[in-house]
Amino acid sequence: AQTVTQSQPEMSVQEAETVTLSCTYDTSESDYYLFWYKQPPSRQMILVIRQEAYKQQNATENRFSVNFQKAAKSFSLKISDSQLGDAAMYFCAYRRGDSNYQLIWGAGTKLIIKP
Amino acid sequence: NAGVTQTPKFQVLKTGQSMTLQCAQDMNHEYMSWYRQDPGMGLRLIHYSVGAGITDQGEVPNGYNVSRSTTEDFPLRLLSAAPSQTSVYFCASSSVKGQFYEQYFGPGTRLTVT
Repeated sequence: AQTVTQSQPEMSVQEAETVTLSCTYDTSESDYYLFWYKQPPSRQMILVIRQEAYKQQNATENRFSVNFQKAAKSFSLKISDSQLGDAAMYFCAYRRGDSNYQLIWGAGTKLIIKP
Repeated sequence: NAGVTQTPKFQVLKTGQSMTLQCAQDMNHEYMSWYRQDPGMGLRLIHYSVGAGITDQGEVPNGYNVSRSTTEDFPLRLLSAAPSQTSVYFCASSSVKGQFYEQYFGPGTRLTVT
């Protein structure tokens, strides 16, 4: 069975600096997708970034980028120029590449931004 | 588009009571699902549906029922509430077109069972 592990329950970063959140996963599949979701205090789950396993190029969305290491089964999220609005829980999620729509979730990392 | 809507936002139940959490989406998505979120854990899938009239169990289905009579609506029923069902519940929907099957979430329902 696939699993997703986020080993950092909490991280803090100074405003305007860069922080990296870790995520590792375990799968025997070769075709899959990975996601990072943000959950601010409002509880709303917001998709931050996504990555196809067959693409070697790391996904980037503005200040958010990933470091996808397929052989190591690692999918870390880098947030550059951290802003106060980035404070939230961040969840890593995995989906198999076939018609299975189910997401497997990590336990989350709480990100604190220090002004 | 309203996206995915859930009602109520908060609910307190006594042990043994039943209730229905409502979920609706206006994006014509085929796939809908219910998750629960507990402290220190990722979201866990309760039930899901790949289309009207089709439902299936997820990881933690016990104590919950679902039905999908229309594409838009996917209610979650708690049959006899227990304190272990105290949690935040999220409904999500996804199109099965494209490749990512990106899931869109409702705002959640915080349920407390006393």
